[in-house]
Amino acid sequence: EAQVTQNPRYLITVTGKKLTVTCSQNMNHEYMSWYRQDPGLGLRQIYYSMNVEVTDKGDVPEGYKVSRKEKRNFPLILESPSPNQTSLYFCASSLTGITEQFFGPGTRLTVL
Amino acid sequence: GQQLNQSPQSMFIQEGEDVSMNCTSSSIFNTWLWYKQDPGEGPVLLIALYKAGELTSNGRLTAQFGITRKDSFLNISASIPSDVGIYFCAGRGSGTYKYIFGTGTRLKVLA
Repeated sequence: EAQVTQNPRYLITVTGKKLTVTCSQNMNHEYMSWYRQDPGLGLRQIYYSMNVEVTDKGDVPEGYKVSRKEKRNFPLILESPSPNQTSLYFCASSLTGITEQFFGPGTRLTVL
Repeated sequence: GQQLNQSPQSMFIQEGEDVSMNCTSSSIFNTWLWYKQDPGEGPVLLIALYKAGELTSNGRLTAQFGITRKDSFLNISASIPSDVGIYFCAGRGSGTYKYIFGTGTRLKVLA
């Protein structure tokens, strides 16, 4: 089944403790992206990647890192999480950057 | 920067009624996408539009790419209880790989 998977689905952590949220797609898509979703603000793009080793900032990149060492994986790294990064995070992929994006199931992160 | 206004923010409708929602942009878009999100799930793509004036259907859903390229509309005919959820539009301008998302229309269907 073609899909985007994320892990973990739920995570509660404390301020400053580094964490990684994994994202994987099995559709051989070139483009992958991370979004955060907050009430009243909709989906905002954090980072995106056009292909392996090619990443770029979205609208809200501060406090996040990403890497794209393999085509199928696009992990989101929070080196020192803070409470304002409590949010619902979605990974998405598309065949190219201009075609429709397919979303993962989401990761709900709480930073205490 | 680019902004996307989606309306209405929420709506209650009776089962069987038709629903309309729209998104407008402050700038021209080359692509419009419409998604539905159920509680606790990721957005699911409903319809993708790539040309101005394009009208596309997916079952009871119909979406149109506005002729000005600054707006898009989604219609749901004969609504049913499982239509409940949040509907998002997303648009992409020319020369960018970034999609801008609307803030969503929350649809509630009264049986």
